Amino acid sequence: KNEVEQSPQNLTAQEGEFITINCSYSVGISALHWLQQHPGGGIVSLFMLSSGKKKHGRLIATINIQEKHSSLHITASHPRDSAVYICAVGRASGSRLTFGEGTQLTVNP
Amino acid sequence: NAGVTQTPKFRILKIGQSMTLQCTQDMNHNYMYWYRQDPGMGLKLIYYSVGAGITDKGEVPNGYNVSRSTTEDFPLRLELAAPSQTSVYFCASSDLGTSGRGEQFFGPGTRLTVL
Repeated sequence: KNEVEQSPQNLTAQEGEFITINCSYSVGISALHWLQQHPGGGIVSLFMLSSGKKKHGRLIATINIQEKHSSLHITASHPRDSAVYICAVGRASGSRLTFGEGTQLTVNP
Repeated sequence: NAGVTQTPKFRILKIGQSMTLQCTQDMNHNYMYWYRQDPGMGLKLIYYSVGAGITDKGEVPNGYNVSRSTTEDFPLRLELAAPSQTSVYFCASSDLGTSGRGEQFFGPGTRLTVL
């Protein structure tokens, strides 16, 4: 079993829909990251959080440390949101990020 | 700032050849990382560095070597390339440590094919 599990693996939505991507992890962490990988391959960091909730534009990330679970929400989705969204965790001990396999999101016009 | 730059963008190698993937960052970050991404799979850490002169192995270091002689540069060396090393390679840097607290900045990637 992977230490970081994302669901769903693939998600197709219509423009304007509210989208949720989930991430569960099984190890102690110091921080959780959400990353976006564009269709061209580039990777950018969206959020880094260790508690609570963060918001940036139409994106919201939440984390529940007790339940070892995080969600990434996209409000009013747009075709330009189509990308792979990757969850990664940094352990409380140790020295690396562990990545989920990503969620492929496609938003149709 | 250019951020994290990688060269080359694409490369095709023959089995047994060697090459160096270059990575440079201009953000004065102490921490740098090399990842590989195989199709449909998550990123895997190859090597990382916490500062000039200090490197350590990640999850999948076999077949690779690194060096860190300056803060800016973190080249990845492939010796005796094998088809299993066909992948996309990403270099990244961060400013707050390897425990994951620091945001990581990624280079554009190098797509390597070994035939």
